[in-house]
Amino acid sequence: DVKVTQSSRYLVKRTGEKVFLECVQDMDHENMFWYRQDPGLGLRLIYFSYDVKMKEKGDIPEGYSVSREKKERFSLILESASTNQTSMYLCASGSGPPEDEQYFGPGTRLTVT
Amino acid sequence: GEDVEQSLFLSVREGDSSVINCTYTDSSSTYLYWYKQEPGAGLQLLTYIFSNMDMKQDQRLTVLLNKKDKHLSLRIADTQTGDSAIYFCAETFPYGGATNKLIFGTGTLLAVQP
Repeated sequence: DVKVTQSSRYLVKRTGEKVFLECVQDMDHENMFWYRQDPGLGLRLIYFSYDVKMKEKGDIPEGYSVSREKKERFSLILESASTNQTSMYLCASGSGPPEDEQYFGPGTRLTVT
Repeated sequence: GEDVEQSLFLSVREGDSSVINCTYTDSSSTYLYWYKQEPGAGLQLLTYIFSNMDMKQDQRLTVLLNKKDKHLSLRIADTQTGDSAIYFCAETFPYGGATNKLIFGTGTLLAVQP
């Protein structure tokens, strides 16, 4: 079974702090993704990576950056956390085309106060 | 444009069938997916259907695809309380190069009454 783990289930940070969210997958997938999930908005893609050191902006990259130094690890960075970044953050690992199956971690609920 | 729409809420009684509907916009999507999210958890891939198929059955789950109307549905037979969750449909969307991204709907909350 594919396993995707995220470093924290719950996180509380203050406005202006730098926040690191870590994600690790064990299926040797090339593709990894970061989403945020908000009520009524579904999942929105923040960034994705299709190879080590490669990254692509998703639909809402503003205020975020990412790092992929190793194939199994994809990090999401909030350079200066703001209250509007309070959300559920979901990481996924993907099989790539053609099936594009994505496997999700349990999520990190981030609260910025 | 990229848009996937779902109704927000569905309530059924235990033992009945549930039908969750979804409409999508990108006619070039090669695969369409159903994901399930239980409370406090990430999304779990339930099933997916290739765009040249009309139907796919997997135990209690039946997926119907109407490409002409860009309509996807998930039928759950003999719905159980453990099926209570949010269900997301998703379609593939090309994102340049050799990869695709998934566009997710807003999710349908299925509540199963005992």
